[in-house]
Amino acid sequence: LAKTTQPISMDSYEGQEVNITCSHNNIATNDYITWYQQFPSQGPRFIIQGYKTKVTNEVASLFIPADRKSSTLSLPRVSLSDTAVYYCLVGPSSNTGKLIFGQGTTLQVKP
Amino acid sequence: KAGVTQTPRYLIKTRGQQVTLSCSPISGHRSVSWYQQTPGQGLQFLFEYFSETQRNKGNFPGRFSGRQFSNSRSEMNVSTLELGDSALYLCASSLLIDNYNEQFFGPGTRLTVL
Repeated sequence: LAKTTQPISMDSYEGQEVNITCSHNNIATNDYITWYQQFPSQGPRFIIQGYKTKVTNEVASLFIPADRKSSTLSLPRVSLSDTAVYYCLVGPSSNTGKLIFGQGTTLQVKP
Repeated sequence: KAGVTQTPRYLIKTRGQQVTLSCSPISGHRSVSWYQQTPGQGLQFLFEYFSETQRNKGNFPGRFSGRQFSNSRSEMNVSTLELGDSALYLCASSLLIDNYNEQFFGPGTRLTVL
């Protein structure tokens, strides 16, 4: 499974757009990129998944360049409740319930 | 639709004892995975069950075992508990639709080993 590298921590202010970049140089052809969010003492929550170009849902956008060696999670207009750990995962999408989590990025949103 | 439920939510055991944790997946989900989360090691994959069969396994000793029942409910057992087994144990279920794999996590069981 491809190794991911993301910043350990980031700070932001309410109302700002936050972009968290994840590096995955060894991504395989059949790998998808998935982001999860985790609040303290809770299980992670799926945010978004993509394979290439751009994916958008009601919570976030995921930008993936053509070489797929990195990806950027974009959170529009963050609020204090977006303070959490964000994990970038890379791996095959189907037929596996095995997720490999890295260290994640701790996002602190300030008022 | 009800989410993933885990019981008990909190557990205190002493070294050498064994423990069984339970997970009920979302209705219709046949894949159940277990994870251990500690401050030092982060989130680590334990094993995955699909249709009552263990399909994937992480790098944990044989003291960690699990099973899945015909209704997809799963149990995880840890024998001969060690202090280092203190952790948040998370269960996740998924539908495993091709090209889309969203796992739904339960609230976890907080195990403390004294």
